[in-house]
Amino acid sequence: AQSVSQHNHHVILSEAASLELGCNYSYGGTVNLFWYVQYPGQHLQLLLKYFSGDPLVKGIKGFEAEFIKSKFSFNLRKPSVQWSDTAEYFCAVDRYNNNDMRFGAGTRLTVKP
Amino acid sequence: DAGVTQSPTHLIKTRGQQVTLRCSPKSGHDTVSWYQQALGQGPQFIFQYYEEEERQRGNFPDRFSGHQFPNYSSELNVNALLLGDSALYLCASSLAGTNLISGNTIYFGEGSWLTVV
Repeated sequence: AQSVSQHNHHVILSEAASLELGCNYSYGGTVNLFWYVQYPGQHLQLLLKYFSGDPLVKGIKGFEAEFIKSKFSFNLRKPSVQWSDTAEYFCAVDRYNNNDMRFGAGTRLTVKP
Repeated sequence: DAGVTQSPTHLIKTRGQQVTLRCSPKSGHDTVSWYQQALGQGPQFIFQYYEEEERQRGNFPDRFSGHQFPNYSSELNVNALLLGDSALYLCASSLAGTNLISGNTIYFGEGSWLTVV
């Protein structure tokens, strides 16, 4: 079945540690890729998105993601996390440019002060 | 402020009952999508409305239905509620005809928490 997979259910880091959250998708053809963040009690917010061009995409709050087409991956990274990055992170795929998003199950990030 | 407003924010229903959730899209948007987010899961696509018609549908039973009004607002109806329907229901709006490469983005509301007891 076509899907979006996030490898880590819960990640716990100390402040200043580096972060990498994995995301793989199984859809063929043209896709747009996204990472969303959901802080406790808040709505989904867009961190970054990839459509075409440079596979290394920079987003808000120091996050970046790299699209590796051959691996169907779109991993999220941040060199140094902060306590305020504690949240749920969702990878999403838009198929065929139709605003029809498919989400991964999410990764809960806990950053210890 | 996400610009997408949903109501009610929380509600409790009994098994077998029916529920209606409402969504007003961001100003200028004409497409509304609904998602179900169960606890500890990612949002699951229910369906999408454009020009008052259901344009796409995810893997949800016919108990889930919707409507879009001329002002682009939308309703999600769920009949014969089951305990498993307990979830956060998210509405997302976007503008059709401008693909995401142009910079258009989907905006999510804060959701309606439905508890079925």
